[in-house]
Amino acid sequence: SYVLTQPPSVSVAPGQTATITCGGNNIGGKSVHWYQQRPGQAPVVVVSDDNDRPSGIPERFSGSNSGNTAALTISRVEVGDEADYYCQVWDVSSEHIIFGGGTKLSVL
Amino acid sequence: VQLQESGPGLVRPSETLSLTCSVSGGSISSYYWTWIRQPPGKALEWIGHVFYSGNTNYNPSLKSRVSVSVDTSKNQFSLKLASVTAADTAVYFCASQVVGADDAFDSWGQGTLVRVSS
Repeated sequence: SYVLTQPPSVSVAPGQTATITCGGNNIGGKSVHWYQQRPGQAPVVVVSDDNDRPSGIPERFSGSNSGNTAALTISRVEVGDEADYYCQVWDVSSEHIIFGGGTKLSVL
Repeated sequence: VQLQESGPGLVRPSETLSLTCSVSGGSISSYYWTWIRQPPGKALEWIGHVFYSGNTNYNPSLKSRVSVSVDTSKNQFSLKLASVTAADTAVYFCASQVVGADDAFDSWGQGTLVRVSS
């Protein structure tokens, strides 16, 4: 089955840039979605289809996807960005939804 | 579209977990309708989805115990998970996608905690 690999944690200082990666076999051939989840809340999509930003999501959030790695980049990180982030794809061969293991972003 | 989960918060081991997701602000007679769960302190896990026509797909790790169905007359869809154990304790979310199965989940319920305990 298809597996998505994320680092368990990423730490960054306020105002700096955070990059969260999502590894998968030929993930560049799939559409990757990224979700932000704050404690006790449902996930919210922050980037869809590799690099599209839904309405209401700040321009500081962007995505990329190529080869075996997709990435979520958060520029000018704010304390309010501290949350868990998950990548997700649709594996067309198995017709299954796959989530990554999640990355906890800490803003120090 | 707004989604709201409902169902028991406590289920006995070996029994069947049953949850319903009510859909408002749109018709259930389109697209995919999905259940996702999250054990305490752990990652999101896709359980399965149902297309409005009734076609389903399930996570292989749960396939033998899970059933997702849709009731278009009530604008609801449901989850049944049989033979539960403590490992099934989780927050259960219902969610929907923009259009197709490869789209992002743009609508989520608030989630409901289900504990499996005697």
